[in-house]
Amino acid sequence: QQQVKQSPQSLIVQKGGISIINCAYENTAFDYFPWYQQFPGKGPALLIAIRPDVSEKKEGRFTISFNKSAKQFSLHIMDSQPGDSATYFCAPRGTSGSRLTFGEGTQLTVNP
Amino acid sequence: KAGVTQTPRYLIKTRGQQVTLSCSPISGHRSVSWYQQTPGQGLQFLFEYFSETQRNKGNFPGRFSGRQFSNSRSEMNVSTLELGDSALYLCASSLVAIPNEQFFGPGTRLTVL
Repeated sequence: QQQVKQSPQSLIVQKGGISIINCAYENTAFDYFPWYQQFPGKGPALLIAIRPDVSEKKEGRFTISFNKSAKQFSLHIMDSQPGDSATYFCAPRGTSGSRLTFGEGTQLTVNP
Repeated sequence: KAGVTQTPRYLIKTRGQQVTLSCSPISGHRSVSWYQQTPGQGLQFLFEYFSETQRNKGNFPGRFSGRQFSNSRSEMNVSTLELGDSALYLCASSLVAIPNEQFFGPGTRLTVL
């Protein structure tokens, strides 16, 4: 069962541009919506997260937009930098424990 | 503060063998989760432990098992290895049972020949 669908699979952006990654979920039991960033040879690391009672959260150049009725949330990276080149995963979490359900991942490349 | 440690970092086994992977969480963390990462299936949840109790288990065959010790260190075991078990196995630790942030280790790269 595909519970979390992430798009696009890959994204190429010029330095200074905006990167947008989308995530759609089916499970209404999810109650925490993080984005993780993974560099080659490393484990994923939490980038930013949002609770379902908030529609938007901004931390520096990173913003999450959340649409509960549509069961979608997205990651916006403003002023994208080459150092942002990585794989990004949405990974919502339910209420029963620490289990994350990962999207397929988006490989972001920011060209200098 | 030291991060999550996974040993070994790389492992090569042959079909039919068994393997044990180890994860040492961040000091004070009591929750440990395991994930399998492959190019085809992405990141899939294996199981999670909190205070030595398995709280959740993913959709993997019984050949995959795990445990957590009283010092929160965790091991996972895969018996009768298959070629499809080749993957990066990631461990994540967190302070509480339902965490907002989980800290991942660098993973153990398992290759089954």
